Amino acid sequence: AQSVTQLDSQVPVFEEAPVELRCNYSSSVSVYLFWYVQYPNQGLQLLLKYLSGSTLVESINGFEAEFNKSQTSFHLRKPSVHISDTAEYFCAVKADKLIFGTGTRLQVFP
Amino acid sequence: NAGVTQTPKFQVLKTGQSMTLQCAQDMNHNSMYWYRQDPGMGLRLIYYSASEGTTDKGEVPNGYNVSRLNKREFSLRLESAAPSQTSVYFCASSEVSGPWGYTFGSGTRLTVV
Repeated sequence: AQSVTQLDSQVPVFEEAPVELRCNYSSSVSVYLFWYVQYPNQGLQLLLKYLSGSTLVESINGFEAEFNKSQTSFHLRKPSVHISDTAEYFCAVKADKLIFGTGTRLQVFP
Repeated sequence: NAGVTQTPKFQVLKTGQSMTLQCAQDMNHNSMYWYRQDPGMGLRLIYYSASEGTTDKGEVPNGYNVSRLNKREFSLRLESAAPSQTSVYFCASSEVSGPWGYTFGSGTRLTVV
């Protein structure tokens, strides 16, 4: 079985500051890793995914995540956040089905 | 636009009432899923259908039933709604296996009073 732990339920940060949202996973088999974003009152959108190859993956809006197999982590980072990044972020792992973490609410203040 | 369509978007039920949440996808995906989202608990899988004609229980199936009507449609039924079923429900679809994420609908906000 797989599980996902998102260590921070809320992360407040000022605009233009860097941010890291932490994600650790547990699995006895190889998995694919995903980050989804949910803006207020909307569904979930795929932000980025790690399948294989380079351990650093990037999204089109400046987020990046690094797969660390030894630490079983897939932390999400952005060097400079915008107000529009305010949302809930979900880490997920997939072996046969997609299993989600409990989410981290990123609140960006002006 | 291609994607996953859920109806209704909002619903208020009285305890004991029944209702069906509808979901349809037009991406020719084999697999479909129903999740519920509750504050602080992330998304939890209720039921899924790996392919047309099959359904399986997820993490929290009690109080729900599903029907995979055809390849496009996957409905979720609450036979006797309870306040504990107040939640936001999301339908999703994907290919059966492999490195594919899921495509989600916009959700149904259900309140049971």
